[in-house]
Formats: sequence, C-alpha cells, structure tokens
Amino acid sequence: EIVLTQSPGTLSLSPGERATLSCRASQSVTSDYLAWYQQKPGQAPRLLIYDASIRATGIPDRFSGSGSGTDFTLTISRLEPEDFAVYFCQQYGSSYTFGQGTKLEIK
Amino acid sequence: EVQLLESGGGLVQPGGSLRLSCGASGLTFSNYAMSWVRQAPGKGLEWVSSISGSGGSTYYADSVKGRLTISRDNSKNTLYLQMNSLRSEDTAVYYCAKYSGYSPHSARFDYWGQGTLVTVSS
Repeated sequence: EIVLTQSPGTLSLSPGERATLSCRASQSVTSDYLAWYQQKPGQAPRLLIYDASIRATGIPDRFSGSGSGTDFTLTISRLEPEDFAVYFCQQYGSSYTFGQGTKLEIK
Repeated sequence: EVQLLESGGGLVQPGGSLRLSCGASGLTFSNYAMSWVRQAPGKGLEWVSSISGSGGSTYYADSVKGRLTISRDNSKNTLYLQMNSLRSEDTAVYYCAKYSGYSPHSARFDYWGQGTLVTVSS
C-alpha cells in the first residue's frame, strides 16, 4: 500500500499570502495519478487538481499542482478568505490511498 | 450539476446491519463507476469499495471484505452499501464518491456527497 504523508499538519497564513502544501508518497505514484481535494466543515470534498497538475473544471487558477514520482505540491498563489479549509491528497494509481490532510487556517 | 446525497446512517449495535444509500442526480448514472469512502473520527480517509458503471465489477478493501457489499440500481440512480457484522472500527462518516469514468481503475473521484455518519456502539 502506498502511504501518503502530508506536511505541514497545520499551516497558518493570512489572506493574500502564498500557501505551499506537500504530499510525499512512500513509493512512486503510477503515472503521477495524484489528486488534491479541498474540504470545508460539513461540506463534500471538492476535487481541485488531478493527474498531479491538471486543474479540475471551475477551479481558479490560483490553485496549481506540481511534482512527480514521490513528491507532490499544491500551491495557492494568493489566499482568498474562502480558501481556508482542509486539503488532502490522494493517489489512484495503485488502489486508492489518502494523505492525512493539511489544515489551512487564518493567521 | 452533479449531486450525491447519502442516507441511511445511524446508531447500530456491534454485529448489527445497516444499509446506506446514495442518490445521484445531474448525470447519466450508469456511465460512471462509484465508490464508498469513509472517515473515522479524527482519522484520515479510507477507501472502502468501488463498483463499475454496469455493476458487474466490484472491489473491496481488505478491512471490509465479506462484511460490506456494494451494489447499484441504475434505474433508480442509486448506489448502496449493505453493511453486515458491523464492528466498532466501522464507526465513521461514509461518503459516496463518483469516479471520472466508467471503470474505477486509475480514476479519480470528481464528485463527493456530504456523507452520512455510522456509529457502531452498544
């Protein structure tokens, strides 16, 4: 099973700042089949990025994904108030596993 | 707009049974594989089970194999999860998730429901 480790566990930033979230896999992710999701309390998770770097439909261009193999990054270029949430990564190249999540909170 | 709405969660005793449902709208349901994903309190997400668009192929996590059964009724646009021999470790929020394609293989989840809470306790 591929274990995904996200860091940091909590990230405290202010609106307008840049956020960088990391997801590291215990082994190489097949074909870079890695996704990023956003989840707010009481809401359904929302797909942001798939195949490591492709933005899902309707996702603002301030969200970007990068990386390959075992190291992946989600970057939010300029934080908006609505971006403060929990973010988790998921690989779907070998069964399906998820990271434990990064909570992005307002500083 | 795709919408997924789970129902059927609740409190059940260890060893008991429960059936979850997920109603889908805004899509041609039979064209897409579907899945159940759960999140135990204070824990990360765990994939539970998947089913192809036709319902002919099903897949399970080892932790639930033989106890949970996924199925679908494409005429009713509904996904099900029959949960038998429930254990305390099955306590979680159960999410219904839609795959991006007909097969679950190497496919991402592009839409999720809001989840339904299952609590297994005496």
